[in-house]
Amino acid sequence: EVQLVESGGGLVEPGGSLRLSCAASGFTFSDAWMSWVRQAPGKGLEWIGRIKNKGVGGATDYAAPVKGRFTISRDDSKTTVFLQMNSLKTEDTAVYYCTAEAGNPSFEYWGQGTLVTVSS
Amino acid sequence: DIQLTQSPSFLSASVGDRVTITCRASQVIGSYLAWYQQKPGKAPKLLIYTTSTLQSGVPSRFSGSGSGREFTLTISSLQPEDFATYYCQQFSSYPSFGPGTKVDIK
Repeated sequence: EVQLVESGGGLVEPGGSLRLSCAASGFTFSDAWMSWVRQAPGKGLEWIGRIKNKGVGGATDYAAPVKGRFTISRDDSKTTVFLQMNSLKTEDTAVYYCTAEAGNPSFEYWGQGTLVTVSS
Repeated sequence: DIQLTQSPSFLSASVGDRVTITCRASQVIGSYLAWYQQKPGKAPKLLIYTTSTLQSGVPSRFSGSGSGREFTLTISSLQPEDFATYYCQQFSSYPSFGPGTKVDIK
């Protein structure tokens, strides 16, 4: 059974930092491209970034609203992907989902999401 | 960046209805389009990828079609469990999502 389990969400003040983790199991993690997608309260889905597999260099890509503030990394030995979020803004408040592209051009697997609230 | 629009943004329908949702891209995206279903408080679920390939386990009443810049998701006979929000997503360049179509009970 495929599982993606996010952790690390919570309440943080504007300007603060938070690190999310996503532990994966049930598929070949080292081959997968892993993305983070967020959803602000009552809003739609927003792709924020991805990390490719080591086979294609492990490169990262980011959406404009988070570029320079967020960093995605992976530890294939622990089948875990991370999202380091710095200089957080109130508009970063959202549920953050970890997703996996595991063979087809699509987000085939999703975690349950973790809520990040940026507020003073 | 490739922008996606969806129409309608809201749809009121009855069980048994045929429902069609359209997704339009700001530029040609080939067949790199996927559809997701999301219910309140839940993670999105993949329905269709590469325009028309049904994800394993998804009922055959769901189908996708299109090419170039215009794509459709069709539900041939709406079931009670299909009331949800539907998103299209393109993979031609950096992934992006459409704004969503909420399907509600008439």
